[in-house]
Amino acid sequence: KAGVTQTPRYLIKTRGQQVTLSCSPISGHRSVSWYQQTPGQGLQFLFEYFSETQRNKGNFPGRFSGRQFSNSRSEMNVSTLELGDSALYLCASSQTDQNSPLHFGNGTRLTVT
Amino acid sequence: DQQVKQNSPSLSVQEGRISILNCDYTNSMFDYFLWYKKYPAEGPTFLISISSIKDKNEDGRFTVFLNKSAKHLSLHIVPSQPGDSAVYFCAASPGAYSGAGSYQLTFGKGTKLSVIP
Repeated sequence: KAGVTQTPRYLIKTRGQQVTLSCSPISGHRSVSWYQQTPGQGLQFLFEYFSETQRNKGNFPGRFSGRQFSNSRSEMNVSTLELGDSALYLCASSQTDQNSPLHFGNGTRLTVT
Repeated sequence: DQQVKQNSPSLSVQEGRISILNCDYTNSMFDYFLWYKKYPAEGPTFLISISSIKDKNEDGRFTVFLNKSAKHLSLHIVPSQPGDSAVYFCAASPGAYSGAGSYQLTFGKGTKLSVIP
């Protein structure tokens, strides 16, 4: 089975721009989550989607949004980029079984200049 | 307020010896715990998990121990190998799909393990 695929791997944007990141989950996984990793804050939960519905959102400003499509693929969008948004953005998918682990992609490294 | 804490930022161990990585949590609602390994420029890789109904789970060289009364878990790697050198993250969840039915992991800040040949 193919793992979680994230595109692009690297992205450089300028302050004020917006960005869209893409994630394809493991086949058969219907839950997709997004996490932000920074050196200071570690791995922080952004949001989780299941069946095209956002079920939970972390403590991030409204500039961070996402969506999930009917094939479980997901995108996240960050508008009006700030320097502090520079981070590794990780997508993860999981089965719907109780207590099944999250499986992560290799992430998108976003640099805001 | 850090709900999951890994108090040792780094650990060095000789090849062949045991590596013990520790993790403490404060949220009593957590009942599912996981360990991930992360290499630079890659996403975290799932290693092993344990639910609160158990106190030990083994998978090959990896064993996770859970002490619910102390709100403490540990990962033992025996024997340690140079390829185990990575950052290890402890994560916890109030159980998949508990409450509102959402799955959210809270991570510790990681422990960098170096296995010396």
